Amino acid sequence: DTGVSQNPRHKITKRGQNVTFRCDPISEHNRLYWYRQTLGQGPEFLTYFQNEAQLEKSRLLSDRFSAERPKGSFSTLEIQRTEQGDSAMYLCASSYGTGGEKLFFGSGTQLSVL
Amino acid sequence: GNSVTQMEGPVTLSEEAFLTINCTYTATGYPSLFWYVQYPGEGLQLLLKATKADDKGSNKGFEATYRKETTSFHLEKGSVQVSDSAVYFCALRGSGNTGKLIFGQGTTLQVKP
Repeated sequence: DTGVSQNPRHKITKRGQNVTFRCDPISEHNRLYWYRQTLGQGPEFLTYFQNEAQLEKSRLLSDRFSAERPKGSFSTLEIQRTEQGDSAMYLCASSYGTGGEKLFFGSGTQLSVL
Repeated sequence: GNSVTQMEGPVTLSEEAFLTINCTYTATGYPSLFWYVQYPGEGLQLLLKATKADDKGSNKGFEATYRKETTSFHLEKGSVQVSDSAVYFCALRGSGNTGKLIFGQGTTLQVKP
């Protein structure tokens, strides 16, 4: 169990550029979640996968955001045409089970949009 | 919709003091309730949970009781240590087969020697 791994740890980009983050969950975990956290706030749910299927997506997630988990293992989160309001910590979590289980969080990717 | 409200921080205590961090929730049905903790420089980790009314979750000297009548899940510890300094998040998971968590805004605890 190497934990949930997220890359990169930090990303600085200019407004209008596209960025992609990667999350490697704990290997046997079938569920994977993306959250966004801004300073002084709790994590805000974005989307989650069970295996390769994206089961839920927050209404807050604009069309500029897309997430994939093509083989049910790692996941990517892409933000197109970044805006300054996208600056935040993007957290990934994984779990094993069908709803009652404990989430394991990664350390996050800190995005700064200039 | 479902939501969680925590007391605002920061909370500053001396070592061995009693800790209470208030958490109340709004939810339909029968949610499960959680406390997560984020130590400096680390990812969030589960501290304790309770899945039904009157359950008490406990871990590392921390306790919280699921009170449906007051829609609360307050975190308590009888004697805090400097190593408990962290940000504490209350969270709920709604009824049904979902792992999605709704978090409160977090409460920063600073314990001084």
